[in-house]
Amino acid sequence: DQQVKQNSPSLSVQEGRISILNCDYTNSMFDYFLWYKKYPAEGPTFLISISSIKDKNEDGRFTVFLNKSAKHLSLHIVPSQPGDSAVYFCAASDRGSTLGRLYFGRGTQLTVWP
Amino acid sequence: DTGVSQDPRHKITKRGQNVTFRCDPISEHNRLYWYRQTLGQGPEFLTYFQNEAQLEKSRLLSDRFSAERPKGSFSTLEIQRTEQGDSAMYLCASSLGSPGPDNEQFFGPGTRLTVL
Repeated sequence: DQQVKQNSPSLSVQEGRISILNCDYTNSMFDYFLWYKKYPAEGPTFLISISSIKDKNEDGRFTVFLNKSAKHLSLHIVPSQPGDSAVYFCAASDRGSTLGRLYFGRGTQLTVWP
Repeated sequence: DTGVSQDPRHKITKRGQNVTFRCDPISEHNRLYWYRQTLGQGPEFLTYFQNEAQLEKSRLLSDRFSAERPKGSFSTLEIQRTEQGDSAMYLCASSLGSPGPDNEQFFGPGTRLTVL
């Protein structure tokens, strides 16, 4: 049962434009959300996170938006750069449990072309 | 480099053999996680340690899998009698505490297992 869903397996964007990656979740107990970036042959690298008490978090070119009522979050990258080309994973956690496991989506391959 | 390290990076084995992977977390991190990633999927949780105590195991972790974290430092993941379905990337992550700002999980580069 996939509790975190990334329905777009791939996204192609021109350099300088905005990239928008989407993620949906089903578990209403999730209260902390993260985005990870993964290059081939490397482990996932933490990018940005957001707590459920916020609806937006910004870090440089990266902004994550959370819509709790829709159980939806998105990652905006502005402006997109060729070095941003990677697989992006959305992840969620229920911090009310002490376990701390992350639930991941299947990922979206972002390609930024010049 | 003080990140999470994993050894080996690649392992090819024949079906039925046993394999062992090692993970060295970031030194001050008391939490250690193992995940498995198969083609086209995101990482899936396998097991979790807080210091040396193994606090949770996923149903994905069959009896052929065992993990240890002696002395709360490095961890090993052993797979006995490997099957072709065990072929995957095995990822280790560590963190200071439960998920939250400044407590993100940092991942190692993974061990890619191929079972022939």
